[in-house]
Amino acid sequence: NAGVMQNPRHLVRRRGQEARLRCSPVKGHSHVYWYRQLPEEGLKFMVYLQKENIIDESGMPKERFSAEFPKEGPSILRIQQVVRGDSAAYFCASSPISDTTGELFFGEGSRLTVL
Amino acid sequence: GQQLNQSPQSMFIQEGEDVSMNCTSSSIFNTWLWYKQDPGEGPVLLIALYKAGELTSNGRLTAQFGITRKDSFLNISASIPSDVGIYFCAGQLGGGSNYKLTFGKGTLLTVNP
Repeated sequence: NAGVMQNPRHLVRRRGQEARLRCSPVKGHSHVYWYRQLPEEGLKFMVYLQKENIIDESGMPKERFSAEFPKEGPSILRIQQVVRGDSAAYFCASSPISDTTGELFFGEGSRLTVL
Repeated sequence: GQQLNQSPQSMFIQEGEDVSMNCTSSSIFNTWLWYKQDPGEGPVLLIALYKAGELTSNGRLTAQFGITRKDSFLNISASIPSDVGIYFCAGQLGGGSNYKLTFGKGTLLTVNP
């Protein structure tokens, strides 16, 4: 997984609560990508961020979901007012350059369960 | 959007057997990738294919990028118990959007010792 660190590994929330997932990219990587994996599905792209910028959020649900990658610290994927359908594994990947070909390495994921 | 059809959905084989799985797409991809995911873990990149017709090996794994650029297959020879897991194909379109992988739904492989 090339050093991408995600936490928490597991998170349980009740409906209506907020979930915050963190991703620390490989040292020196300034491009971060978030993917979501629903049960028994492949991963689906959510958002691409560079430091302090959202580059492509075309895969993000329009409401309740937000992501940031501040100048200092990890990238955060925030889900407000969670619903049962948000239960999934959320994976982060990072790269040193933007248009990376074949070199997308994922972290171990954060598994969100909404009760 | 693009869709990848991955088959079979699952396979049950005996240790030592060879395995083959494939992906097809209605769209052309510039790069095909094969990942393996163990339970509770993230997907790990196994093989990347960059040119149509390319055949690439990684130990007991062999993958090919179809000539039409719309399909790819992965073969595992002489399977062993640690091959158990979910195998995903993924495609990259290129053109500045390589970060936006399209994944298949996966093939669940079970190996009986």
